[in-house]
Amino acid sequence: RKEVEQDPGPFNVPEGATVAFNCTYSNSASQSFFWYRQDCRKEPKLLMSVYSSGNEDGRFTAQLNRASQYISLLIRDSKLSDSATYLCVVNSRGYSTLTFGKGTMLLVSP
Amino acid sequence: GAVVSQHPSWVICKSGTSVKIECRSLDFQATTMFWYRQFPKQSLMLMATSNEGSKATYEQGVEKDKFLINHASLTLSTLTVTSAHPEDSSFYICSAYTGTANQPQHFGDGTRLSIL
Repeated sequence: RKEVEQDPGPFNVPEGATVAFNCTYSNSASQSFFWYRQDCRKEPKLLMSVYSSGNEDGRFTAQLNRASQYISLLIRDSKLSDSATYLCVVNSRGYSTLTFGKGTMLLVSP
Repeated sequence: GAVVSQHPSWVICKSGTSVKIECRSLDFQATTMFWYRQFPKQSLMLMATSNEGSKATYEQGVEKDKFLINHASLTLSTLTVTSAHPEDSSFYICSAYTGTANQPQHFGDGTRLSIL
């Protein structure tokens, strides 16, 4: 099992749609979880950290299920500018070392 | 806050050239810096972890003599790709970490390296 696995995508959605990304991780000892966003040919940018109780930032909601080793990201009211690759990121080997999923590409169309 | 500057952003060189990439944390001290490589349509792959004042820890399959890493201060790490060949062409990204548990890493802009 890969350390971090994500939906392969791409997800093609119209503006205004709600879209959800899923991610599973293999190391039950992982402590930190993040969603990063990466635009084409650019560096990853932190979208949000994921907390055990779940957290929301505007149109974005992240959830963590430690028992199932599962993380999700929900985007409501999709905008064209949300088009990007979304990376699920987990610290699987010590609190500073991050493992990246392959990413899920989102394409929001008018 | 938490700005990481990476330089240069784009390099095109002939095969056999050595290329140095700098990664600087501009407004915080980074106890640890990471170097990643990303090939087209692939995920970021960690190459090495660099702690200030000590030797870098390389991931399996990454040649330490090929990819020289120096982390001489809390704000600067450098990656030198020695005698680069076309197969080394990739997107190299650094990130910096403050050392505080459960805090995210902050990424540089990345360096796109093309070896002819």
